[in-house]
Amino acid sequence: DGGITQSPKYLFRKEGQNVTLSCEQNLNHDAMYWYRQDPGQGLRLIYYSQIVNDFQKGDIAEGYSVSREKKESFPLTVTSAQKNPTAFYLCASSIDGRVTEAFFGQGTRLTVV
Amino acid sequence: AQTVTQSQPEMSVQEAETVTLSCTYDTSENNYYLFWYKQPPSRQMILVIRQEAYKQQNATENRFSVNFQKAAKSFSLKISDSQLGDTAMYFCADNFNSGGSNYKLTFGKGTLLTVNP
Repeated sequence: DGGITQSPKYLFRKEGQNVTLSCEQNLNHDAMYWYRQDPGQGLRLIYYSQIVNDFQKGDIAEGYSVSREKKESFPLTVTSAQKNPTAFYLCASSIDGRVTEAFFGQGTRLTVV
Repeated sequence: AQTVTQSQPEMSVQEAETVTLSCTYDTSENNYYLFWYKQPPSRQMILVIRQEAYKQQNATENRFSVNFQKAAKSFSLKISDSQLGDTAMYFCADNFNSGGSNYKLTFGKGTLLTVNP
């Protein structure tokens, strides 16, 4: 089955620790995206990558980092510098950077205590 | 800044009736795509319908249709014969060009639709 997989579904971390969220796709898509969803805020773009070994900051990149070493993988690290990391995180991919259609993973709920 | 605005935080409709969700956007481009996504309680994002801006004909997918007014930068979603399974958060989105060949899918804040039996 082709798709985009995020793991884990729920993640708990102590304050001050870095944590990495996984996103893998087997759709052979060039572009991948990370969004953060908070109640009443919609989806806000954190980082995006249109090709391997290249990525750009989105609208709320502070306190986050990414890598794109492989086409199928786009992990997101939430660092201790992110002031309010508790949120629902969604990963998406599209066939190319034109974003004519985006496919989403199931999301990861991160809770920092 | 390019934005997508959904002015209705919440709406409700009776089963089998019709409801329209509003969306306006701001772009300086001539060719772009607009989307409506549905997010049910499972939180999985599902594409409902897509409109290509250069096509004048409004997109339709079964019970879902759009009213695309390019000059007014308006993109509303009409759901006919509403079903209980349509209860979800609905997001409007646009693929804005953020410079060169870079595009960003930008979302509105969403409309929570409740279908009542």
